[in-house]
Amino acid sequence: KAGVTQTPRYLIKTRGQQVTLSCSPISGHRSVSWYQQTPGQGLQFLFEYFSETQRNKGNFPGRFSGRQFSNSRSEMNVSTLELGDSALYLCASSPGRGANYGYTFGSGTRLTVV
Amino acid sequence: DQQVKQNSPSLSVQEGRISILNCDYTNSMFDYFLWYKKYPAEGPTFLISISSIKDKNEDGRFTVFLNKSAKHLSLHIVPSQPGDSAVYFCAASARAAGNKLTFGGGTRVLVKP
Repeated sequence: KAGVTQTPRYLIKTRGQQVTLSCSPISGHRSVSWYQQTPGQGLQFLFEYFSETQRNKGNFPGRFSGRQFSNSRSEMNVSTLELGDSALYLCASSPGRGANYGYTFGSGTRLTVV
Repeated sequence: DQQVKQNSPSLSVQEGRISILNCDYTNSMFDYFLWYKKYPAEGPTFLISISSIKDKNEDGRFTVFLNKSAKHLSLHIVPSQPGDSAVYFCAASARAAGNKLTFGGGTRVLVKP
């Protein structure tokens, strides 16, 4: 059974640019959540999608957005990149909504903004 | 406002001995708790979880204890193995808050052979 696939693994962008990250959840999983990991702030929740609808959003500016497609694949977009957006972006998939279903994380996309 | 705290940034233990990792939380709405292990350049891997209606859950070498009155949980690893060397994250979730995971800052564990 394939795990959670995140592409690309590494990305370097320039300040002011925008970036799109992709996440393919485990087959049959309908919930996809995104997290940002930085040395200073740790792992922080960005947003959750379930059945193509954003169900929950973390405390991030509007430059961070996402969407989910009918096949449950998800993308997140960051516009007008800032140096502070450099981080490991992690996607987690779950068969349903609720921590008791369990979350499986992908290996992440390492974004570096220069 | 850190709702989940892991006050020990690092822990060193001898192979075969017990590793005890601690986690404190402040939000009484949290009703589900999870532990994850993370290696560099990889995503977190789920270890064990516990619901707030229980005070203990065991899975092989891993046991999680929950003390709701103290808002404290701990992860015991017995016996510790060199492959357990990683960063361990405690996470909490509240059904009423939309099920997102709130993570602690992590504890780096080094198991010495």
